[in-house]
Amino acid sequence: EAQVTQNPRYLITVTGKKLTVTCSQNMNHEYMSWYRQDPGLGLRQIYYSMNVEVTDKGDVPEGYKVSRKEKRNFPLILESPSPNQTSLYFCASSPFTGALNTEAFFGQGTRLTVV
Amino acid sequence: KNQVEQSPQSLIILEGKNCTLQCNYTVSPFSNLRWYKQDTGRGPVSLTIMTFSENTKSNGRYTATLDADTKQSSLHITASQLSDSASYICVVGGATNKLIFGTGTLLAVQP
Repeated sequence: EAQVTQNPRYLITVTGKKLTVTCSQNMNHEYMSWYRQDPGLGLRQIYYSMNVEVTDKGDVPEGYKVSRKEKRNFPLILESPSPNQTSLYFCASSPFTGALNTEAFFGQGTRLTVV
Repeated sequence: KNQVEQSPQSLIILEGKNCTLQCNYTVSPFSNLRWYKQDTGRGPVSLTIMTFSENTKSNGRYTATLDADTKQSSLHITASQLSDSASYICVVGGATNKLIFGTGTLLAVQP
């Protein structure tokens, strides 16, 4: 089954304790991205990757890092989490074909609480 | 500034009734317009994708329209069911896989 898998689904952590949220896709997609979703706001892009070893900042990258060492995996790293990073996080993937109607697939989300 | 605005913010309808959700956008360049359904706490799931040359697309009881001249789209839900209760998000595709999200319309279908 084609899917994007995030782990963990729920996470409570303390300020300053480094954490990683994993994302894996089994569709051989080139393009992967991370979003955060906060009440009253649309999903906002944190980082994206067009292919292995190619990453770039999205709209709200501060406080986050990513890596793309393999095509299927795109982990999101919070080196020193702060309470304002409490949010619902989504990973998404899509083929990078240049087609106008490229479909994007989302993971199930990771609800992060930083206390 | 690229923006996607949706209305209404929330909507309550009775099971079996129809409803229409609205989306206005100012995004350039424009590649496509998508409607997603998002159940509470879950990831968005695609309903329709339309490019600028398409002005209507259906997916079962969901029908999306696009007017690229006025930069407006609508999502019509026919014969609503309890399982239609969700947030419906309008998303505009810009350059190079970039997606700009609206804040969604929260739909509640009541028996």
